[in-house]
Amino acid sequence: AQRVTQPEKLLSVFKGAPVELKCNYSYSGSPELFWYVQYSRQRLQLLLRHISRESIKGFTADLNKGETSFHLKKPFAQEEDSAMYYCAAQGGSEKLVFGKGTKLTVNP
Amino acid sequence: DGGITQSPKYLFRKEGQNVTLSCEQNLNHDAMYWYRQDPGQGLRLIYYSQIVNDFQKGDIAEGYSVSREKKESFPLTVTSAQKNPTAFYLCASRPLTPNNEQFFGPGTRLTVL
Repeated sequence: AQRVTQPEKLLSVFKGAPVELKCNYSYSGSPELFWYVQYSRQRLQLLLRHISRESIKGFTADLNKGETSFHLKKPFAQEEDSAMYYCAAQGGSEKLVFGKGTKLTVNP
Repeated sequence: DGGITQSPKYLFRKEGQNVTLSCEQNLNHDAMYWYRQDPGQGLRLIYYSQIVNDFQKGDIAEGYSVSREKKESFPLTVTSAQKNPTAFYLCASRPLTPNNEQFFGPGTRLTVL
């Protein structure tokens, strides 16, 4: 079955510390992978996707096919990074499968 | 940001009543989706539609129904058969070209009294 796992429900770091949000996937074939973010009182929105290989707001995500992981990283967390983060995968079925989310809190 | 609207923002319903949540998009997207968001559960797909007059069940379709009579509209009805309807409901749309992102609406919070 297609599955996206985010092992941490909650993650708390201090401002300026590195942060890594973990994501593992179980998928047949080679899915496309995404990170979505939901800031307080805002819509869920795309943060970045694997195919673009870009860095958004200082975040990057590396696809490791051997470990089937797509962890999200930022070297120096900021308070405005506090939000709910969802990892998602999409295969040929057109359906996007989401993980259960990680709530990141960046403390001053 | 705009392009997808959901109404109402908050909705209260008595047990045993059906209620319809609105989702409209002016992005000319072919595909539309309904998700349910519960704390600790992430987003779970209820129904989706890739073309007018056609839709498919998602992972948790029981107790819900949809219609897609127009490209821009994809209303969701929460029926009295849905055992635990209190939740935050998100609508999304996307074009059908490969690997395009989904755009989300602001959501509707449904509370069953």
